[in-house]
Amino acid sequence: DGGITQSPKYLFRKEGQNVTLSCEQNLNHDAMYWYRQDPGQGLRLIYYSQIVNDFQKGDIAEGYSVSREKKESFPLTVTSAQKNPTAFYLCASTQEDINRQYFGPGTRLTVL
Amino acid sequence: QKEVEQNSGPLSVPEGAIASLNCTYSDRGSQSFFWYRQYSGKSPELIMFIYSNGDKEDGRFTAQLNKASQYVSLLIRDSQPSDSATYLCAGNTGKLIFGQGTTLQVKP
Repeated sequence: DGGITQSPKYLFRKEGQNVTLSCEQNLNHDAMYWYRQDPGQGLRLIYYSQIVNDFQKGDIAEGYSVSREKKESFPLTVTSAQKNPTAFYLCASTQEDINRQYFGPGTRLTVL
Repeated sequence: QKEVEQNSGPLSVPEGAIASLNCTYSDRGSQSFFWYRQYSGKSPELIMFIYSNGDKEDGRFTAQLNKASQYVSLLIRDSQPSDSATYLCAGNTGKLIFGQGTTLQVKP
């Protein structure tokens, strides 16, 4: 059963804490992406990675960090430097031939 | 100016009618376009993609692309209450650029 999994589904963070969101895919896709979605807004790109051990900043990378040590995994860390982290976070991966992105179920992060 | 723009709506149509969702883009280098449907609290799911001028039909859905006018549209025929969702348009410039989405309400 192929797909993209994200965990946890809901995450609560206290001010000043770093938290890590998991994203795993078994679709054998090379490229993976992290987006943030705020209420009533579209998706904004945080980071993306097209190959293992390489990644690029998206439009809103400040306060976030990523790693890509394995093709299947692309975790996102929301650091304490991100001042307004409450949002819905979506991970996606892409087929090589057509830039058609498949999304995971998302993680809803709330800062307490 | 946003790179991909959509009217946030809500767009309200009666059941059985045609819903027309529109999207404009500013980057003429955009190679292809995608329509995603997103139910409240869920992740987006791909409905259609289009990269050639003209129409592309898939069941009740038709995507239209006009590169000269820089707009993309999605028509939903015989709209059903289950079509009520937010529809996201995205342009491919090497990475996907999303519009803010249009909320569609189909009333029984």
